[in-house]
Amino acid sequence: QVHLVESGGVVVQPGESLTLSCATSGFNFRNYAMHWVRQAPGKGLEWVALISGDGIEESYSDAVKGRFTISRDNSKSTLYLQMNSLRIDDTAVFFCARGLSRIGIPGNIAFDFWGQGTLVPVSS
Amino acid sequence: DIVMTQSPLSLSVTPGEPASISCRSSHSLNSNGFTYFSWYLQKPGQSPQLLIYLRSTRASGVPDRFSCSGSGTDFALNISRVETEDVGTYYCMQALQTPITFGQGTRLDIK
Repeated sequence: QVHLVESGGVVVQPGESLTLSCATSGFNFRNYAMHWVRQAPGKGLEWVALISGDGIEESYSDAVKGRFTISRDNSKSTLYLQMNSLRIDDTAVFFCARGLSRIGIPGNIAFDFWGQGTLVPVSS
Repeated sequence: DIVMTQSPLSLSVTPGEPASISCRSSHSLNSNGFTYFSWYLQKPGQSPQLLIYLRSTRASGVPDRFSCSGSGTDFALNISRVETEDVGTYYCMQALQTPITFGQGTRLDIK
């Protein structure tokens, strides 16, 4: 059974840094691209970043590029999001999500499993 | 960036009645014979869950009352007979290119 569990969300002040983790189980982690998606309070879903299964390819939204870094430890089946220079408008629930893959279909398809999310309030 | 536009933003449906949500993409989502388009449902207080991917494939466990029509840039999520458990916010998403983008969401509630 696939499980994704985020952790690390705490109240931080603007300008501070924070690292989120997403512990996974129930599947061969290294075979899947992983993503972070966030949701500001009362708002919609916003894709943040992705990392390929081998950790070589990364991609970011313009809103976080240069401030956030996605990484993974395949030996621990864990995904990370290092967030620097946090701003008030980064306040959100951060979800990790598994990238759905199918043999013969290149690229990103969809997100087939999601964690429960971890809240990151950025407040002075 | 590819912009995804949903309509309506909210709808209220009587149980047993059909419902439809539209999603328009600013760019064709077709590539190499595949359509990189998906639908998600976020029930109140829960994480999003995948309903449909590659335009028309239902995810595991999704009832067959959910279907998707359309192609290219115009899509619709169709619910043949709404049930009370279908309450929540529906999102469309494109994964053809990064940044991956979502529609604004459509809130469905029960009359």
